[in-house]
Amino acid sequence: GAVVSQHPSRVICKSGTSVKIECRSLDFQATTMFWYRQFPKQSLMLMATSNEGSKATYEQGVEKDKFLINHASLTLSTLTVTSAHPEDSSFYICSARDSRVPYGYTFGSGTRLTVV
Amino acid sequence: GESVGLHLPTLSVQEGDNSIINCAYSNSASDYFIWYKQESGKGPQFIIDIRSNMDKRQGQRVTVLLNKTVKHLSLQIAATQPGDSAVYFCAVASYDKVIFGPGTSLSVIP
Repeated sequence: GAVVSQHPSRVICKSGTSVKIECRSLDFQATTMFWYRQFPKQSLMLMATSNEGSKATYEQGVEKDKFLINHASLTLSTLTVTSAHPEDSSFYICSARDSRVPYGYTFGSGTRLTVV
Repeated sequence: GESVGLHLPTLSVQEGDNSIINCAYSNSASDYFIWYKQESGKGPQFIIDIRSNMDKRQGQRVTVLLNKTVKHLSLQIAATQPGDSAVYFCAVASYDKVIFGPGTSLSVIP
């Protein structure tokens, strides 16, 4: 089946620094990937849709200059949290859609970001 | 837009009993529904899905029921086991996104 790899699984960074999270589709090409954020005891909230070769589409209330998304290839999307603050600490999850399959969404295993 | 909600945030069941987790959605045009299981510190894991042209679908120990009239779906887990303890999300999928409900935490009492 389709596999999505997310890296790193955990990261701790200092306030004011930037951190990059990678999302890779391992056995399929994904023109569209998605980034979610999940706070403790809450649901997954869609942050943005990453489109290969074009600009990402951000959900309402998500700062595009803070959460930079790059989808430079059909198998890789990256999310960079810029000038991170403690309130950015969260669980970030990516998803990739396999266009060969109707509703072919596969999720990564998530990245736990802690900003200190 | 779509919004998805759940009736109960937590559910405790005795091992061996059946579990029922409910979910409501708002958009009557929604076509595809998915149940996910999420264990602590992990990404969501696909359990079962159902299209709007069906009202029931069964998997291994799991059944999803869809009632389009009242915009409600449920996940039934038969003979609940300790390994079923997790948070369960219903989600509505379209061709351009997946929207998650708030989640139900299932605890299985040995």
